[in-house]
Amino acid sequence: NFMLTQPHSVSESPGKTVTISCTGSSGSIASNYVQWYQQRPGSAPTTVIYEDNQRPSGVPDRFSGSIDSSSNSASLTISGLKTEDEADYYCQSYDGINHGGVFGGGTKLTVL
Amino acid sequence: QVQLVQSGAEVKKPGASVKVSCKASGYTFTSYGIGWVRQAPGQGLEWMGWISSYNGNTNYAQKLQGRVTMTTDTSTSTAYMELRSLRSDDTAVYYCARALMVYVNFDYWGQGTLVTVSS
Repeated sequence: NFMLTQPHSVSESPGKTVTISCTGSSGSIASNYVQWYQQRPGSAPTTVIYEDNQRPSGVPDRFSGSIDSSSNSASLTISGLKTEDEADYYCQSYDGINHGGVFGGGTKLTVL
Repeated sequence: QVQLVQSGAEVKKPGASVKVSCKASGYTFTSYGIGWVRQAPGQGLEWMGWISSYNGNTNYAQKLQGRVTMTTDTSTSTAYMELRSLRSDDTAVYYCARALMVYVNFDYWGQGTLVTVSS
């Protein structure tokens, strides 16, 4: 089955830039859209990036997404980190063989 | 504004079934599908499936095939997720979320429904 692998946790200081990776287990991650969700404790997830690199209205341009076909991975980059960015982040895509969605295991971002 | 409002928390015994509802408002219900995602305590998100509100077509996660059924009632703009033969590891918060197609973004989410499976 197609899987997405994320680092368990990352940490960085306020004002800095952090990148969270999401690596596909097989096939080409570029074949289907990748989404990124932010989840704060006790709340439902919200989208910060959809269709690889698109930002929903209301999401600051400090958030950006990209695809690297050479490493079969997607990345979420957050620049100018703020303490409010501290949350869990999940990548999500589609398994075209099993015709179902897939989430990465999630990355806990600590801003300290 | 788009809203997805889910039914309340449930406590079930192992082997029982649960049916969670998700009432949509603020958009044309049949223009979007509804996906279901669950999250066990302290764990990550798990994609469960998606249903087209237009024609009822479904895509289910392989591990849940045979135990899960997703339906919609277009007259009330409500989606339902039924999970049968419940086990303790089905204890989780269950979310419904709107998605145009099975392979795209969940753009609006319900508030979540806690289902606890315990003897």
